[in-house]
Amino acid sequence: AQSVTQLGSHVSVSEGALVLLRCNYSSSVPPYLFWYVQYPNQGLQLLLKYTSAATLVKGINGFEAEFKKSETSFHLTKPSAHMSDAAEYFCAVSVPLGGATNKLIFGTGTLLAVQP
Amino acid sequence: ETGVTQTPRHLVMGMTNKKSLKCEQHLGHNAMYWYKQSAKKPLELMFVYSLEERVENNSVPSRFSPECPNSSHLFLHLHTLQPEDSALYLCASSQGTSGQGGETQYFGPGTRLLVL
Repeated sequence: AQSVTQLGSHVSVSEGALVLLRCNYSSSVPPYLFWYVQYPNQGLQLLLKYTSAATLVKGINGFEAEFKKSETSFHLTKPSAHMSDAAEYFCAVSVPLGGATNKLIFGTGTLLAVQP
Repeated sequence: ETGVTQTPRHLVMGMTNKKSLKCEQHLGHNAMYWYKQSAKKPLELMFVYSLEERVENNSVPSRFSPECPNSSHLFLHLHTLQPEDSALYLCASSQGTSGQGGETQYFGPGTRLLVL
């Protein structure tokens, strides 16, 4: 069965510091992987997704993630944190369903705090 | 309106009430989803529809009843809920044209439900 694990439910960084949010996946087939962000009292917004076209994926707001098959990882990074990055981040793996639909299996989320 | 909209944004109901959550997508997608986000639990897929036909019912109690009258609208009818059903209910949509599993799901802002 496919699954994702996010290490660290809370991460705190200083403004301007590197952001590293960890995600490891389990999948018997080449996975489709996603990172979503959720700001307070809002829904989920797509940051980026991996679909096997390139191992380094660039997303919105300066975030990127690298797919490493040997480590079964898809960690999210940003070189310099901004106060507006404070939010909860979710890693997800996609499983195909019938009718050209898919099921997102989410990790438990990482709450990112950015200190001034 | 753009993207995925949900109404109401907040709902308080008693255990004997009947209420409905509404979702509308303005993206021309074929697939729609209901997810439940509870405190300290990963997001859980509840129902999936593709072109108004239910594709997935993820072992959801019968007190939750979905309805998809057309590909733009999705409802979640609620009756005799329990306090543990209090959560954020998120609607999402995807193109629903690829069976590969890599389609992006676009989320609405959610309905915050409190059951007293």
